[in-house]
Amino acid sequence: QQQVKQSPQSLIVQKGGISIINCAYENTAFDYFPWYQQFPGKGPALLIAIRPDVSEKKEGRFTISFNKSAKQFSLHIMDSQPGDSATYFCAASKQVSSGSARQLTFGSGTQLTVLP
Amino acid sequence: DTAVSQTPKYLVTQMGNDKSIKCEQNLGHDTMYWYKQDSKKFLKIMFSYNNKELIINETVPNRFSPKSPDKAHLNLHINSLELGDSAVYFCASRTTVGGELFFGEGSRLTVL
Repeated sequence: QQQVKQSPQSLIVQKGGISIINCAYENTAFDYFPWYQQFPGKGPALLIAIRPDVSEKKEGRFTISFNKSAKQFSLHIMDSQPGDSATYFCAASKQVSSGSARQLTFGSGTQLTVLP
Repeated sequence: DTAVSQTPKYLVTQMGNDKSIKCEQNLGHDTMYWYKQDSKKFLKIMFSYNNKELIINETVPNRFSPKSPDKAHLNLHINSLELGDSAVYFCASRTTVGGELFFGEGSRLTVL
């Protein structure tokens, strides 16, 4: 059972265009929603994150939109650049029942290619 | 000044062998993780340790045994390697209360 569903699997965008990646979750215990960016041969790195008490968060060209009632969130990359070409993962975090530590569950990833 | 470092970066071995991957973090974090990334890039959590105590143990074959000698280190030992174990294994760390998860650069394991 995939707790965080991500789409599309791959995305090709022209330079300067808008890239949109969508995610949906089921478990209402999730309370922190980060996006990670992964370049080939590297580990994932935090890009931007949001908590469910806000509907939108923007950092530079990257924006997360969050719809708590629909249990959906999305990443928008404005003015997409070839350097943005990478794999993007949405994720959802919740507290582990056994203690105060937290567990992060990832979506299946989106391979973004931005054409020059 | 590597924050989360894993060794080795590449590992090629035969089926049936036993191998280990080491991980160290210098961020002062008290929670460490092992994730497995398969050929389709799906990231799945395997284990988590908090202050040397196992707190997350997903459905992973018992051929995989994590060991945390101290809160800065989390090693992964794999017995009787199988073809399906071929993947990239990522170590990660964060503080107990949450926030950013820092990943190492991964260890690519290939089982022949």
